[in-house]
Order: sequence, then C-alpha cells, then structure tokens
Amino acid sequence: EPEVTQTPSHQVTQMGQEVILRCVPISNHLYFYWYRQILGQKVEFLVSFYNNEISEKSEIFDDQFSVERPDGSNFTLKIRSTKLEDSAMYFCASSLLAGVTDTQYFGPGTRLTVL
Amino acid sequence: SQQGEEDPQALSIQEGENATMNCSYKTSINNLQWYRQNSGRGLVHLILIRSNEREKHSGRLRVTLDTSKKSSSLLITASRAADTASYFCATDAREYGNKLVFGAGTILRVKS
Repeated sequence: EPEVTQTPSHQVTQMGQEVILRCVPISNHLYFYWYRQILGQKVEFLVSFYNNEISEKSEIFDDQFSVERPDGSNFTLKIRSTKLEDSAMYFCASSLLAGVTDTQYFGPGTRLTVL
Repeated sequence: SQQGEEDPQALSIQEGENATMNCSYKTSINNLQWYRQNSGRGLVHLILIRSNEREKHSGRLRVTLDTSKKSSSLLITASRAADTASYFCATDAREYGNKLVFGAGTILRVKS
C-alpha cells in the first residue's frame, strides 16, 4: 500500500541553524501538508500546498519557514534559523483531493531537536 | 475552546472490553477523521466520516457522527493490547479551509 515517507526520522541541530525536512508524498496525490506536534501537545497545522503554491498557512508558519516541491516527488519544509521552540515532531501529509473532502495520509514524522 | 476535543483524556480497560472515545467540535464541518498514534510514532488514519453520514464501520471500529450535537464517537470493540495508543479526532471545519484541526486526544491503554 502506498505511503508517505519522511527523512530523516530524527534531526538534531543547533539553534540558529537551517534545517530541511524531506517528505515523499503518495505518488498520485495533489495536496500536501505539514503539521507539527510539540511533545505532549496537539497536532497543529502549518501549511498546505497545491499546484506548486501555498494554499493556506497558519500563524506558526512565519518567515522562518518555507516549503518547496523541488521535483515531482519530494516536498520539503525548511526552517531558516531554528529556535528552541521549533523542537517538535513534524508530520508531512498528502491527499488526492482537497482535505475538506478527502483523507489526509500522514508520514511517520521527523523528530526535530533544537539545542 | 478548541475545535475537536476528545474525552476522556485517558481510558484504561481490560483486553476484550469495548472502548468508547468521544469528540466534540464547535463549527460546521465537511468531514471528521479519526487517527491513531502509537507512542512517539506517526498518525495512522482510521476512518473518515462525512457530514451527511451518521455511522461508519471498519472492522472492529465503529464511528458515529451527530452533527446536531457537534459530536462524534469512536467505538473499538473487543479491544486488544495492540490497540493501546492515543486516538485523535480531526475536523476540517468549513471555516478553516482544507487543514485538519486536531483535538488533544484520548490515551487508551488496554491491559492484557
């Protein structure tokens, strides 16, 4: 069964460094998302992406964050200058149709630790 | 308060018993989805129920939706130790575009 994959599974970085989290969505899906979950807290929406542009973003997704679909398979989340509070589990998700009508399938997550 | 709130926060049952988890939400929705998360792992999709549906089954899972009460329940029948996980409801309220809004989850522990 097709699945969303994410790399790396765990990333440790120093505060102020740039990180890129990578995702390979399900191949025929058209909508892509990033969510994050700070330890012990709710899963929070960051951004949705469709047709090579951001369709929606949350207030968390400030200028330090960016997303890109550099080729036909990868979907990346870049954090330009990491802060301690960026430490969280980051989940990529994809759906065939817009999320309002379709299931969003999640990857296993990347645990980001900012020291 | 938040869209998508589950109760109870934690539930501990014996293997073989049924587990019921509830979710309440505030605004109109297009659909509601239930996810499972094993400790420190990814989110596994369980069931999507649309706003015009009242009940849906998948194996040992039964989900109900009452849009008049803005609530949903997830029933796991004949629970197993492997069902131990956190369970989240997620709504895509019409006002929120196509993002999912998650509740805080119910931690289910099934004792063998």
